[in-house]
Amino acid sequence: AQSVAQPEDQVNVAEGNPLTVKCTYSVSGNPYLFWYVQYPNRGLQFLLKYITGDNLVKGSYGFEAEFNKSQTSFHLKKPSALVSDSALYFCAVRDRGYSTLTFGKGTMLLVSP
Amino acid sequence: NAGVMQNPRHLVRRRGQEARLRCSPMKGHSHVYWYRQLPEEGLKFMVYLQKENIIDESGMPKERFSAEFPKEGPSILRIQQVVRGDSAAYFCASSPVASGTDNSPLHFGNGTRLTVT
Repeated sequence: AQSVAQPEDQVNVAEGNPLTVKCTYSVSGNPYLFWYVQYPNRGLQFLLKYITGDNLVKGSYGFEAEFNKSQTSFHLKKPSALVSDSALYFCAVRDRGYSTLTFGKGTMLLVSP
Repeated sequence: NAGVMQNPRHLVRRRGQEARLRCSPMKGHSHVYWYRQLPEEGLKFMVYLQKENIIDESGMPKERFSAEFPKEGPSILRIQQVVRGDSAAYFCASSPVASGTDNSPLHFGNGTRLTVT
């Protein structure tokens, strides 16, 4: 089985400060990991993915994520938050033996001016 | 290149009626995935289809729900005899090949928001 946990329902950060949105996963094999973002009344948009190789993955809009195998984590980060980053963020995992993605419950990121 | 198109954007049905949700994948994509989004529950996988085949329906409720992806035309998610608990946002995503064979990200539509009154 594969599963994802996003322990925070909401993250609040001031504009210009660094942000972190947490994600941990559980798979039986080696994971493929993804982050998606959802703006109000829209579908999910792909941000970045980890497949193999460098543990630090860079994605769209200045976001990056760090794969930590020992902690089974894939936290999303950005050095300097923007108000326009406010949205719902989903972490997703696919075990290499599976054909579908499993998503976390989502974390609402609120960036205040 | 048009993205994943879902219609209608909003659908209101009375209890007991049928709901039909449509999804046209991106051009060149032959794999379609349906997800349901409920508040407090996040995004839940329902069904994965390839043209004319259901590949994985492990997330579909056993009754009242069905899905198809015919050789021609959009994928359809059908909910018969809707109940209030079916109210949710339903998202379709597509990929060019099976997500189990490569790691192309899924492309999502903007969803259909179903309200059952």
